[in-house]
Amino acid sequence: QSVLTQPPSASGTPGQRVTISCSGSSSNIGINFVYWYQQLPGAAPRLLISKDNLRPSGVPDRFSGSKSGTSASLAISGLRSEDETDYYCAAWDDSLRGYVFGTGTKVTVL
Amino acid sequence: QVTLREFGPALVKPTETLTLTCTFSGFALTTSGLCVSWIRQPPGKALEWLALIDWDDDKFYATSLKTRLIISKDISKNQVVLTMTNMDPMDTATYYCARMDQFAPSYYGLDVWGQGTTVTVSS
Repeated sequence: QSVLTQPPSASGTPGQRVTISCSGSSSNIGINFVYWYQQLPGAAPRLLISKDNLRPSGVPDRFSGSKSGTSASLAISGLRSEDETDYYCAAWDDSLRGYVFGTGTKVTVL
Repeated sequence: QVTLREFGPALVKPTETLTLTCTFSGFALTTSGLCVSWIRQPPGKALEWLALIDWDDDKFYATSLKTRLIISKDISKNQVVLTMTNMDPMDTATYYCARMDQFAPSYYGLDVWGQGTTVTVSS
């Protein structure tokens, strides 16, 4: 049902850089901004990246976003144990006239 | 300080109608650019956007659920209400409301979320 596709999992060792992809289409990522959310276990999601690559106040600069065409990526550099959780991309879809979330990626710190 | 909190029944029966209320504070839904969305998350599954209502009373719905959803707002009570008809066990999920401020740097980002309320659909 998700319009945006993410890999189910990603992993890395502490200190490494991990990248999560988000694949969409011309009606969502291709023409609208991408947003990334972090969801810790048992908690509500938290806005991590807005407008493709902006970090809201309080988000560490280890997190960065990028976009090219109809795909986007979230990078976590200097991976830490507390980064082990779920991440979702999202965007407005002009064809559906609604917000769409990605399938979600679970990051594991080895 | 902006806060949102969801209220609703913990248990509903199949075919019943679910009514969820999002009570918020710290902003007014009459302010240009402000919106409230509903999102749900079945156990162990991904987030699913359901509906949005904006400051101008425009309403948007998830295509797959459009025929079952109604979103409305009560300005005097600082509340947004979502009704979902013909509930099914597949609708069992945690339901969240969240704010969007289109004139803030977050733009279409859902920048403040409620804690969520869990709804189980079972006879």
